[in-house]
Amino acid sequence: DGGITQSPKYLFRKEGQNVTLSCEQNLNHDAMYWYRQDPGQGLRLIYYSQIVNDFQKGDIAEGYSVSREKKESFPLTVTSAQKNPTAFYLCASSPTGWGGSNTGELFFGEGSRLTVL
Amino acid sequence: RKEVEQDPGPFNVPEGATVAFNCTYSNSASQSFFWYRQDCRKEPKLLMSVYSSGNEDGRFTAQLNRASQYISLLIRDSKLSDSATYLCVVNLAMGGKLIFGQGTELSVKP
Repeated sequence: DGGITQSPKYLFRKEGQNVTLSCEQNLNHDAMYWYRQDPGQGLRLIYYSQIVNDFQKGDIAEGYSVSREKKESFPLTVTSAQKNPTAFYLCASSPTGWGGSNTGELFFGEGSRLTVL
Repeated sequence: RKEVEQDPGPFNVPEGATVAFNCTYSNSASQSFFWYRQDCRKEPKLLMSVYSSGNEDGRFTAQLNRASQYISLLIRDSKLSDSATYLCVVNLAMGGKLIFGQGTELSVKP
């Protein structure tokens, strides 16, 4: 079955440590995204990539980094510079990126819950 | 003012009730509108797009009011399985960046 796989589902980190969240898709989608969700808040865009080897900062990129070396993979690193990293992280993809024939449907992974101890 | 703002929840309704959620958006240039559903501790999934003329999908009706800059979602004959958070999503241009509202939680009780 095609879809998006995020791992790990749950992650605990000590302050000062970097962690990397994995996101893999086999939908052959060009665009991939990382969102953060905090309780009572909407999804906020961290980074997005419209095509392999290219990515752009979203609204809250500080303290995060990404890479897009392969079409199917878009890992997110939460660095120690991120002041409040405890959150629910969602990876998503769409057939095309901004400006394409995007219908507005994003396909999400099941998310990764990061807790900083 | 937030770009997309939804009715604060939670909405607690009995089975069979009709419930409506509203969502306002600040940018009059917004082009496309959507409702997503998010179950507790799960990922969001597209529920329906919102078209200018309004559209219906079974028990769900979505409407757009461009003059007042809001969209609505009406659920008729609520089921227990409708319990979820409903996210209003807007983008400024076809294929443009999606802006998510904070969500409205619905709890349908027996």
